[in-house]
Order: sequence, then C-alpha cells, then structure tokens
Amino acid sequence: ILNVEQSPQSLHVQEGDSTNFTCSFPSSNFYALHWYRWETAKSPEALFVMTLNGDEKKKGRISATLNTKEGYSYLYIKGSQPEDSATYLCAFGGGGFKTIFGAGTRLFVKA
Amino acid sequence: NAGVMQNPRHLVRRRGQEARLRCSPMKGHSHVYWYRQLPEEGLKFMVYLQKENIIDESGMPKERFSAEFPKEGPSILRIQQVVRGDSAAYFCASSVTGTSGRKSYEQYFGPGTRLTVT
Repeated sequence: ILNVEQSPQSLHVQEGDSTNFTCSFPSSNFYALHWYRWETAKSPEALFVMTLNGDEKKKGRISATLNTKEGYSYLYIKGSQPEDSATYLCAFGGGGFKTIFGAGTRLFVKA
Repeated sequence: NAGVMQNPRHLVRRRGQEARLRCSPMKGHSHVYWYRQLPEEGLKFMVYLQKENIIDESGMPKERFSAEFPKEGPSILRIQQVVRGDSAAYFCASSVTGTSGRKSYEQYFGPGTRLTVT
C-alpha cells in the first residue's frame, strides 16, 4: 500500500517566521513528487514537480528539496506572510499512473 | 487560456438518482484525473484517462461509478444510484502528459464539484 505522510498536520506561525514541512513517501519505485498549495474554497495550485534525487526548486519565498533515497521532501517558506495561509499538499507519483496525495499541512500565518 | 473547467459547481441529488460531473481540461491537455475529497479527508485518486481511453481506474469503486473522456467534449464522471456516502467534493485535474512517461508534468486542478446526496 502506497502511503504519503505529511507533518505536521497543522502549523501556526507569526508573520515573518520561516517554516518548513515534511513529506514522506515510499523510496522504492519513485517517479515524481509534487507540491501543491490549496487555499480554502479554491482548487489546488501546483507549486513544484521534482523528479531527481537532490532536486531543489524555488519560487519566490518558497523552496523545496527532494531525497528519493530516503523518501522525503521538505517545503520551506521564508518570512511567512498571512497570504501564505493555506494547506500544502504533497503528492507522490510512483511507477504506475496514480498520484497519491498526503493529507496536507495546514499553515496559519498570523499578522 | 482558460483553466480546467468543472460543472456544475454544486449538485444536489436524492438517493437513487444519477449524478453526472463534467470536466473540460485545459487547452492542449489530453490527460485527465479525477479525485474525490470526502469530508475531513484528503484527495483520493479515482481514475486517470486519456482521450477515449481509461488508463487507470484502480481508485474508483467497482459499482455505480464510471468515467469517460470522449474524443470530443468533456470528461464525464458518472455516479449511478447515488447514496449518502457519495457526498463529497470531486476534483478534476489535467496535464500535458501523464505519469507514465519518464517526465511527470504538473496537474492543473479545476474548482471541483460539490455533490450532496439527500
């Protein structure tokens, strides 16, 4: 059974804090790891797709790293802003066709 | 370039009726995925389709649920004889290519259809 775990489940930070979340996934049969940002009442928005061990991606204040050998990815947000408040989902693409989503980390940034 | 379109956004059905959910992928995208989000749960993969082909339907219940992506027109997720447990948000996503090739492309999500079964 393919399982994608995200931690923490939720996180409360102050504006300006930097933060990071973890996504754990099966290390065998790895294909791709996706990060999405999901605001309430909207649809998930793609942030990054990473396919190679050691990949690092960056978009503004958000960056992500990938370790396929040990099966984890980190998402970092530098200098959190209230508009960063959202649920951050990671999704694992294995050798088949499915994309398995984690339950998400819900981030609350207080002004 | 319009994003992924889903309609209706909200659908109310009585138990035993049929529900039809539509998804129009982004222009140029030929791969469609359907996901279900049950209350208080995350996104669960249901089915992955290319034009006129079901590639992977391993996440879809064997009975009452079916999906298609015809050569022309939107992808349709069909639920027959709905029950209360079918109440959920159903999201569709599309991509340029699927996950079967060496490179996995981002999936772009539609706004979802919220199905309520009374």
